[in-house]
Amino acid sequence: QVQLVQSGAEVKKPGASVKVSCKASGYTFTTYGINWVRQAPGQGLEWMGWISAYNGNTNYAQKLQGRVTMTTDTSTSTAYMEVRSLRSDDTAVFYCARDSRDSFDIWGQGTMVTVSS
Amino acid sequence: DIQMTQSPSSLSASVGDRVTITCRTSQSISTYLNWYQQKPGKAPKLLIYAASSLQSGVPSRFSGSGSGTDFTLTISSLQPEDFATYYCQQSYSTLTFGPGTKLDIK
Repeated sequence: QVQLVQSGAEVKKPGASVKVSCKASGYTFTTYGINWVRQAPGQGLEWMGWISAYNGNTNYAQKLQGRVTMTTDTSTSTAYMEVRSLRSDDTAVFYCARDSRDSFDIWGQGTMVTVSS
Repeated sequence: DIQMTQSPSSLSASVGDRVTITCRTSQSISTYLNWYQQKPGKAPKLLIYAASSLQSGVPSRFSGSGSGTDFTLTISSLQPEDFATYYCQQSYSTLTFGPGTKLDIK
């Protein structure tokens, strides 16, 4: 079946970086883009950016420009999202989601990233 | 960025009730509006795309309508599994989500 499976929970210190993976299966990876969304504890959903799995083009949320990098590895059908210079307010569940018809039709299970000294 | 509001922010209802949630945008977005359902500890699930198209596998008691700046999500007869938080999302320009509507049991 079509699914996105994300890497496990992470605990990082302020100033560190984190890289979350999202492995796709059940469909042709390069046919769809991947979005990343985060959700701070008890809060709503925040779009972080998008990457084309076809050609690697990216579009990042302005708020995260310069701190986030999204990449893909088509040989393993995996998308990656790296956030640098982590702060305590980056603590959140990070989701990858497949882009289809301008909506997010398949979601990963989420990866909890905790930033704490 | 396009600003989004949802009303109500929370709602208590009973099984079998008809429920309507409203989403408004700060500028016209045609029908570039999606609805998601999220249960605690779970990823969001796409319910409605392009304002009124039902995602495959979603029960027909869910429906969406609207265009321009005003949109609604309607659940025709609430079932126990529908108690969750609902988010709208615009995909007309830089993607943004509404603040959410928490639907709980009366």
